[in-house]
Amino acid sequence: QQQVKQSPQSLIVQKGGISIINCAYENTAFDYFPWYQQFPGKGPALLIAIRPDVSEKKEGRFTISFNKSAKQFSLHIMDSQPGDSATYFCAASRGSSASKIIFGSGTRLSIRP
Amino acid sequence: ETGVTQTPRHLVMGMTNKKSLKCEQHLGHNAMYWYKQSAKKPLELMFVYSLEERVENNSVPSRFSPECPNSSHLFLHLHTLQPEDSALYLCASSQDSRGNTEAFFGQGTRLTVV
Repeated sequence: QQQVKQSPQSLIVQKGGISIINCAYENTAFDYFPWYQQFPGKGPALLIAIRPDVSEKKEGRFTISFNKSAKQFSLHIMDSQPGDSATYFCAASRGSSASKIIFGSGTRLSIRP
Repeated sequence: ETGVTQTPRHLVMGMTNKKSLKCEQHLGHNAMYWYKQSAKKPLELMFVYSLEERVENNSVPSRFSPECPNSSHLFLHLHTLQPEDSALYLCASSQDSRGNTEAFFGQGTRLTVV
């Protein structure tokens, strides 16, 4: 099964709060889990990615938490800012080859001032 | 800017029209991709070209016809489309279609079929 399930579909967070987006996958052969950020009128851009040999990766205010046994991973945005308002896609693939990436359905995040 | 440019940004076409979407990358990449993005659906990979050769075609209807004349340009020719084909069409490129490289996306063409 190739599907990547993402939730919630939309999320509203107050400025300064923590935004959490969750994803689950089924194919245990996946070994690369990127998150993409897409602003209106723009294409998706790679935000942060993780491989299953670590349980957490942090880059600035963005953190990926990875639970291999549960086949779940999540994106945490600390101190959320209005500029973080965008659609976020999780994805999974075998290797980071762009032709093999399976995307989640996206989460529309709105940060309220 | 990501270095991947798509034109036009918006396109409205009738079901009997023929139009083409264009994608150009200035990153020196040798793999290019077409994706379809519909509301509330995951990004769908349509075609993959590596070194100007089509290496993947994900069961896309024949009313979509890709063309890759060189490693910097990719086209998507459209004819006799249906209203359900209305979507954002995204082009992407990467250094290699099989290797450990990031995909860079263009801004997309918003297509409306009437």
